[in-house]
Amino acid sequence: NAGVMQNPRHLVRRRGQEARLRCSPMKGHSHVYWYRQLPEEGLKFMVYLQKENIIDESGMPKERFSAEFPKEGPSILRIQQVVRGDSAAYFCASSPGGAGTTFGSGTQLSVL
Amino acid sequence: KQEVTQIPAALSVPEGENLVLNCSFTDSAIYNLQWFRQDPGKGLTSLLLIQSSQREQTSGRLNASLDKSSGRSTLYIAASQPGDSATYLCAVRPRENTGFQKLVFGTGTRLLVSP
Repeated sequence: NAGVMQNPRHLVRRRGQEARLRCSPMKGHSHVYWYRQLPEEGLKFMVYLQKENIIDESGMPKERFSAEFPKEGPSILRIQQVVRGDSAAYFCASSPGGAGTTFGSGTQLSVL
Repeated sequence: KQEVTQIPAALSVPEGENLVLNCSFTDSAIYNLQWFRQDPGKGLTSLLLIQSSQREQTSGRLNASLDKSSGRSTLYIAASQPGDSATYLCAVRPRENTGFQKLVFGTGTRLLVSP
């Protein structure tokens, strides 16, 4: 089992560009969570998805951010028109629904 | 609103020392509490998970305790080694989040164990 796979590991974007972060959950896991870790801060919950459904997006900024988990393929966190304040580590986690959450290695987004 | 605090923010010890990391949370209505390890540029590794009905969990040189009523948990590391150097994160799963694993994290304790 390859674990939770996130790519890319590092992503550099200029202000105003779009960032797309991908997350493939562990095999058999149908629940995906995205967290953001700003410099010198703890991880903050962003969004929880199941296949084709957003269950809880209470931690997502209201504008420019969106997430999806299609029937086929990885979960995508999309950030439109990135700004310097979006620079952070973005972590994806997955679970089978019960206890136990496995985290990926994260994507470090740098906005120039 | 649940808030998680970790003290100290950073800790530097010589190899071989026993040490204690502290975590406090404001709302005792939790399902469980987890301790994670985060290495630079890497993801989170779950170390110990304590259910709300449990008092402690042990894994090797690690022991985590939970006092839900006072909103506190401690992570005890025995005979520390340089390989223990990492950031240690505490996270609680609030009881309000039935059915899914939404975690509230502390800001972590950065541990450096010198040879």
